[in-house]
Formats: sequence, C-alpha cells, structure tokens
Amino acid sequence: DGGITQSPKYLFRKEGQNVTLSCEQNLNHDAMYWYRQDPGQGLRLIYYSQIVNDFQKGDIAEGYSVSREKKESFPLTVTSAQKNPTAFYLCASNPLGWGQDAVSYGYTFGSGTRLTVV
Amino acid sequence: AQSVTQPDIHITVSEGASLELRCNYSYGATPYLFWYVQSPGQGLQLLLKYFSGDTLVQGIKGFEAEFKRSQSSFNLRKPSVHWSDAAEYFCAVVTWSDGNQFYFGTGTSLTVIP
Repeated sequence: DGGITQSPKYLFRKEGQNVTLSCEQNLNHDAMYWYRQDPGQGLRLIYYSQIVNDFQKGDIAEGYSVSREKKESFPLTVTSAQKNPTAFYLCASNPLGWGQDAVSYGYTFGSGTRLTVV
Repeated sequence: AQSVTQPDIHITVSEGASLELRCNYSYGATPYLFWYVQSPGQGLQLLLKYFSGDTLVQGIKGFEAEFKRSQSSFNLRKPSVHWSDAAEYFCAVVTWSDGNQFYFGTGTSLTVIP
C-alpha cells in the first residue's frame, strides 16, 4: 500500500547535535511538507517542497534545513541552532504542487517522529 | 492572513451523546475546508472536506460537517459518539493560491466517558 513512512518514531538528541528525520513516500506525490506540532499550538509549517530540487521556508524555518534530491524523499535536519527542538514532527504530501486539483486531494500524513532533547 | 479558530480546547462527552466541534475561519474567498483526526502519537487522518456545492458534507466514521458562509464556520458533528472517537480533531483551511499551504486550527481534544 502507498503511504508516507517517517523514521525513526522516537528520536533523542543531545544538546548541540544535529539530527535528521526521514520522510519517504511511495505515492508519487509532487509536494511534500514538514510540520511541527506542540501541545496547544496545532501544526506549524517548517518547510515545503513542490518539486524536486526546490523548497520553500514555512512559518518556523529557523534552525531547520531540508533537501529534496529525490521525489520520494524529503529529509528534515534539526540543527543545533534550533533552541527548542523537542516536539512531534509530521511529514505530509500532496499529489500536485499547484492549483485547485491539488487542494481537492488534501494531505496524506506520516505517523510522525517524536524528538526529545536530552 | 488566513486563520482558523477552534474555540474549544477540550470537550468531554458521554458515549452515545451527540457531538459538535466548532471551527471558524478567516479568509477572503470561499475556502477549501477540511477536518482531520489524530489519535495519540499518530499522524492525521482525513475525516471530510468541503469545496463547493452541498453545504452539508458526509465523512468517514459517521461524521458530518456543515459549511455556513454567513458565519464563516465549518462545524463538525456526530449524532452518537463512540469511545473510539476519543482523539484530537483539527480543522484546516487551504489556500491554493499560496503554495497549497494548509492552515490548521489549534485542535480540540475529545474525551469520551462511558
């Protein structure tokens, strides 16, 4: 079955370390998104990509970096510059990056990665 | 800027009772509206969506939502709640003109008591 795979499910990071969260999809979707979820704050957009080798900053991109070298992969790196990285991270995808047809499909979400700083 | 408001942070209902979760949005044009559900430690699952046409839309798991343009609302309802409905519910609006970004509300946590 097609879907989005996020790994690992749980991740622990020491202060000052960079960590990379994996997001892989086999849905042949063009657009991919990273959200951060904190209690009581809903989902906040970190980065998104609508096509390979291109990505855009979302509302809270500081301290994060991404790459989109392949259509099916959109890894997120949480750098040491992110001062409060402990959160639940969700990856999502959408079949078309542009226009109303893409909107009508909605998002497919992964099952998330919980990152904790120790 | 677009925004979505879910005024109820937490709701508790008895099993078998009816449920209504509120969602209000701020957007210049008719938006595309969605409701998602999230079980603990999981991703989000689409319940239903509205784009145009009939303002009452049916979704999965017996949920429905009604779009009211005059009130800028898209409330989620279920006639009889089951214990398995306990979860976090998110309303979202998407702007296709802005990179298809979804704007999510802060969520409503539903507790179901026997």
